[in-house]
Formats: sequence, C-alpha cells, structure tokens
Amino acid sequence: DGGITQSPKYLFRKEGQNVTLSCEQNLNHDAMYWYRQDPGQGLRLIYYSQIVNDFQKGDIAEGYSVSREKKESFPLTVTSAQKNPTAFYLCASRMDTDTEAFFGQGTRLTVV
Amino acid sequence: AQRVTQPEKLLSVFKGAPVELKCNYSYSGSPELFWYVQYSRQRLQLLLRHISRESIKGFTADLNKGETSFHLKKPFAQEEDSAMYYCALSGFNKFYFGSGTKLNVKP
Repeated sequence: DGGITQSPKYLFRKEGQNVTLSCEQNLNHDAMYWYRQDPGQGLRLIYYSQIVNDFQKGDIAEGYSVSREKKESFPLTVTSAQKNPTAFYLCASRMDTDTEAFFGQGTRLTVV
Repeated sequence: AQRVTQPEKLLSVFKGAPVELKCNYSYSGSPELFWYVQYSRQRLQLLLRHISRESIKGFTADLNKGETSFHLKKPFAQEEDSAMYYCALSGFNKFYFGSGTKLNVKP
C-alpha cells in the first residue's frame, strides 16, 4: 500500500529536550517537505528537500533540523532552541516540482 | 515575494447555496495553483489543480492571471463540503499555502 507515513501520531516532550519526528514514503518521490500547521496561520514551510543528501531551509527553519540520507525518509528534529514547538507537523512529498503533493496524517507535538 | 492570501478564515453558507472561497497570489513567474481540502480527522488531500481544468465534487476554480486570483466555486453547497480549504502555489521548488478557509455548510 503506497503512501506517506508519519509517526508517532502524538508526541509529548519536556522542555529542553530534542525530539525527532519520522516521515517515510514509498512513492519513490524525489521531493519532501515539512510544514507546521497552527490555527489561523495555515501551513508554514520548515524545511524541504529536492534530492537525497540535499535540503533547504523554509520560512521558519530556526530551531529545527533535518536529514535526507535516504530517498524515502526525511526526519525532522525539533530542538530545544525552538521557542514554541507545540504544534501540528505535516510531512509531504511529490515526484517533482510540477506535480501535486501528498501529505502524511501529521504528528501533534506537545511540550509539557 | 511569493504569497498566497485567503482573506476569509470562516465561511458559513446554507445547504444549496452557492459558495466561493477566495484565493489571491503573488508570484513573479508562471504559477502552478492548487486547492487542497482537509476534512475532519483526515489528511490534507488534493481537490483540484488549475492545469487539469477539472471539476471535482462539483468544485471548479479558474486561474485569473490579470487579477492574480484562483477562487474556488461551487454552485450548490452540500453539508459534506464542510472542511478546511487551502489554496496553494507551487514555484521555485517550494509549495506555498494560504492560511486556509473553514467552510461550514449549514443544513
């Protein structure tokens, strides 16, 4: 069954801790994206990657880091430097720049 | 700078009424525009894209380059259309999203 999978669905973190959100796709897509979704603010781009071993900062990259060691995986680390990490995080992928994006079901991160 | 603007946060209409969700964009090149929909407890999914010129679930959207708009329209709203709608623009290897419009169709 092809698709894009995010895990876990819910994640709790203590202040000062780093946490990594998983995003895996078996669609053979080259491009992958991480967005943050906050009420009333829509989707804001954190990081994106067009090919393996390459990634670019989006509009709100501060306090986040990513890696793209494999085509199918694009994990996002929320570091302790992120001042307001509680949010809903969405991962997406697409074949190339002219195609639609497919989204995961999201991870809701809560800092306690 | 690239930007997608959805001026309405919430749009409430009665079943059977026409609906129009507004989207304006700014982009220096030739944009690829999309509408995405997020139903309650479901993942974000593509509704339609301007290049395909399709009508999906009765929705249509026309790209107006002069007005830099890509409004989403449906002549007769249904209760199952209640959802969050996002306009998106693809350009320079990125996907830009608007802030979303919540459509509430009342019985």
